Amino acid sequence: QTVVTQEPSFSVSPGGTVTLTCGLSSDSVSTSYYPSWYQQTPGQAPRTLIYNTNTRSSGVPDRFSGSILGNKAALTITGAQADDESDYYCVLYMGGGISVFGGGTRLTVL
Amino acid sequence: EVQLVQSGAEVKKPGESLKISCKGSGYRFTSYWIAWVRQTPGKGLEWMGIIYPGDSDTRYSPSFQGQVTISVDKSISTAHLQWSSLKASDTAMYYCARPATVGGYYGMDVWGQGTTVTVSS
Repeated sequence: QTVVTQEPSFSVSPGGTVTLTCGLSSDSVSTSYYPSWYQQTPGQAPRTLIYNTNTRSSGVPDRFSGSILGNKAALTITGAQADDESDYYCVLYMGGGISVFGGGTRLTVL
Repeated sequence: EVQLVQSGAEVKKPGESLKISCKGSGYRFTSYWIAWVRQTPGKGLEWMGIIYPGDSDTRYSPSFQGQVTISVDKSISTAHLQWSSLKASDTAMYYCARPATVGGYYGMDVWGQGTTVTVSS
């Protein structure tokens, strides 16, 4: 069973920088997993931030960026704002048309 | 404008059947896969499966294989998610989503608004 791992929670100060990561229980994450990142606030549909490792979705500010850091995919938020307080999910593509979500990271801005 | 519009909330009893829908507009419906995603109350997102409207090629997550059926009616640009016999554990919000790239399986970039399914006796 493939497990996609994310930090359960993270906190950042307003104006600060935070990097959330997305790993695999049994492998290193590379661009071949086409990592993508989604933001979700309570009661709302997910919003796409990043796909294909580092491509920002339309309308997403450039303070959100995606990369591969070591053996994980990463989402970096620079200049954190109060309304960045959300749940963040990564997705990795496993092949054969199948993708898997990570468990999500709850980001607190305080 | 590219949009996915989902059908309305459903309340059902255990054992009943259900089909919910996701209608695409503003783009060539047959050229993009459509995925379904589940979110149980207070929990995270789960990728269920994906269908290609062009030829109805369908792939399921192992966790959902045999539990649901994904289908498409390309004549009305609509994908469906259906259950033959609902369980209380199917109570969740269901989202459809479309990948960013033509023919690509990954990187959902357009989301439906979600359909709430409540299964209760």
